[in-house]
Amino acid sequence: AQKITQTQPGMFVQEKEAVTLDCTYDTSDQSYGLFWYKQPSSGEMIFLIYQGSYDEQNATEGRYSLNFQKARKSANLVISASQLGDSAMYFCAMREGLTGGGNKLTFGTGTQLKVEL
Amino acid sequence: DTAVSQTPKYLVTQMGNDKSIKCEQNLGHDTMYWYKQDSKKFLKIMFSYNNKELIINETVPNRFSPKSPDKAHLNLHINSLELGDSAVYFCASSQIVALNYGYTFGSGTRLTVV
Repeated sequence: AQKITQTQPGMFVQEKEAVTLDCTYDTSDQSYGLFWYKQPSSGEMIFLIYQGSYDEQNATEGRYSLNFQKARKSANLVISASQLGDSAMYFCAMREGLTGGGNKLTFGTGTQLKVEL
Repeated sequence: DTAVSQTPKYLVTQMGNDKSIKCEQNLGHDTMYWYKQDSKKFLKIMFSYNNKELIINETVPNRFSPKSPDKAHLNLHINSLELGDSAVYFCASSQIVALNYGYTFGSGTRLTVV
């Protein structure tokens, strides 16, 4: 079974609009971390935002926020006021405990976001 | 100052050759990783070392051999390269005990086997 599922292979959004990238996860651990990374066309992996399983508030980092719904096991990324430079591949990832996924970061298949004028 | 540096950035080589990719981190992290990103952009972990000890060894052909001389360095040696080895290889580092610690990635090595 997939541990991280990103169901949107590609998304389009107009500049200055908000966009939500979906991510659902599967774990039996009580303690885990959820991450979003951005990979622009230049290829580097850029950390965007983190959400801990025990965090009661949704994480925010500038224009990025994470809509964490624990009961639904979803961790959607919301990008507000999209900019052309946001065009990139976005990966959701999960880090489980040592008894769960073996302390590795497991990635979803990614969502390619294109911001249009 | 580059936090996780990989060399080379590009590697083009013929089938059957042996090649190495080097990785160094200056973040003081205790754990380093190798990931492979295939042509569909899927990222899959290959190996992980914690303080020079191998802790994760996924289903990877034994032509791939990681080596960690110290906790700041993790190299990847690939023997008898095949066309299917063409991919981007990322090195990353982190702290093992902290779930809230993401990974810091190197800029990747694009390996092309011809």
